Amino acid sequence: GAGVSQTPSNKVTEKGKYVELRCDPISGHTALYWYRQSLGQGPEFLIYFQGTGAADDSGLPNDRFFAVRPEGSVSTLKIQRTERGDSAVYLCASSLGSSATDTQYFGPGTRLTVL
Amino acid sequence: AQSVTQLGSHVSVSEGALVLLRCNYSSSVPPYLFWYVQYPNQGLQLLLKYTTGATLVKGINGFEAEFKKSETSFHLTKPSAHMSDAAEYFCAVRTGAAGNKLTFGGGTRVLVKP
Repeated sequence: GAGVSQTPSNKVTEKGKYVELRCDPISGHTALYWYRQSLGQGPEFLIYFQGTGAADDSGLPNDRFFAVRPEGSVSTLKIQRTERGDSAVYLCASSLGSSATDTQYFGPGTRLTVL
Repeated sequence: AQSVTQLGSHVSVSEGALVLLRCNYSSSVPPYLFWYVQYPNQGLQLLLKYTTGATLVKGINGFEAEFKKSETSFHLTKPSAHMSDAAEYFCAVRTGAAGNKLTFGGGTRVLVKP
């Protein structure tokens, strides 16, 4: 079956611009996660959705970052007034449920470059 | 707070040799532990996971890992490396029944020499 998909695969923007990154989870998965992976590092948690609500947004670095999941399926990560330090690969994952034993399945990521 | 330390950011092994990737964690509650592999330009793929039960866990592609509580370790091994094992490997911890996020180590890049 189809895995987690993310669009675009690459995004180049200028400092100060607004960007949106999209994630399509595996069909039927109720939990959705966003992570950020900087060059040479492991992924870092940003936010977790259970259904439509953000159950844990403790990883969002500041108020320029916002994510939504209005219908409990597709999610959009929004970054305002982008900075060069936002350059990273943004990973999305989904899991069937929110149990700690539920496997998170990752998408290929969106590589964001802020010039 | 939970944390994961992977010893060695780069490992070079010869084809057919043992692969050993080290992972140590800290957690205040019984941990759920994971190993993921990332091939170039691809997403993270789950190799194996430990939740409860048997401490020796077998995964895909011939990999296995052993949970050792006394050593707070979850090292990944494969008896015989294959060229296709060249990738980056990440250890991660997820905490308790309420934990819903993965905390990853910094990753270990494996190079396989012919």
